[in-house]
Amino acid sequence: GQNIDQPTEMTATEGAIVQINCTYQTSGFNGLFWYQQHAGEAPTFLSYNVLDGLEEKGRFSSFLSRSKGYSYLLLKELQMKDSASYLCVSMDSNYQLIWGAGTKLIIKP
Amino acid sequence: NAGVTQTPKFRVLKTGQSMTLLCAQDMNHEYMYWYRQDPGMGLRLIHYSVGEGTTAKGEVPDGYNVSRLKKQNFLLGLESAAPSQTSVYFCASRRTETGELFFGEGSRLTVL
Repeated sequence: GQNIDQPTEMTATEGAIVQINCTYQTSGFNGLFWYQQHAGEAPTFLSYNVLDGLEEKGRFSSFLSRSKGYSYLLLKELQMKDSASYLCVSMDSNYQLIWGAGTKLIIKP
Repeated sequence: NAGVTQTPKFRVLKTGQSMTLLCAQDMNHEYMYWYRQDPGMGLRLIHYSVGEGTTAKGEVPDGYNVSRLKKQNFLLGLESAAPSQTSVYFCASRRTETGELFFGEGSRLTVL
């Protein structure tokens, strides 16, 4: 079956760095997305990886290893506004999206 | 630029009542989706459409119907609401080139 695994909750300190891991099992692969979702709001797009390696976008970076079925989202210089859920999403060979349950990130002062 | 707009944003129904959620997008996207999100769970796909006049079932289609008569609109109908359909519903459209989804603000539905 198709599956996404990511931690349910993580806690980090303002100004620090946090890495949110995601492992995926899908029928074929056409890319890995990360979305951010603040409580009570809709998800918003953060990143898309289809090739192995690290993609950097400001304070956020996303890494992909296709051979390991593994991705992570790295958040640097954490701010209180980064408190949100982070959703890992894989796209299979039919371009269907498989959603993880999300990682709730709590930022403490 | 409105993006994706959902109406209504909140609704309370009694068991057995029917209603329609409307989703409109102004980005000329072919693909549109309806998801539901329940506490502690990921987004679950109800129905989707790959273009005007087409619809397809997703992961949890039972109890719902959809229509895509116009490219910009995707309607989600509940024929006979049940308490199990209490959820937050999100509509999304997809940029073909990147696969990126653009979401509406969500519709919070409570069925008593």
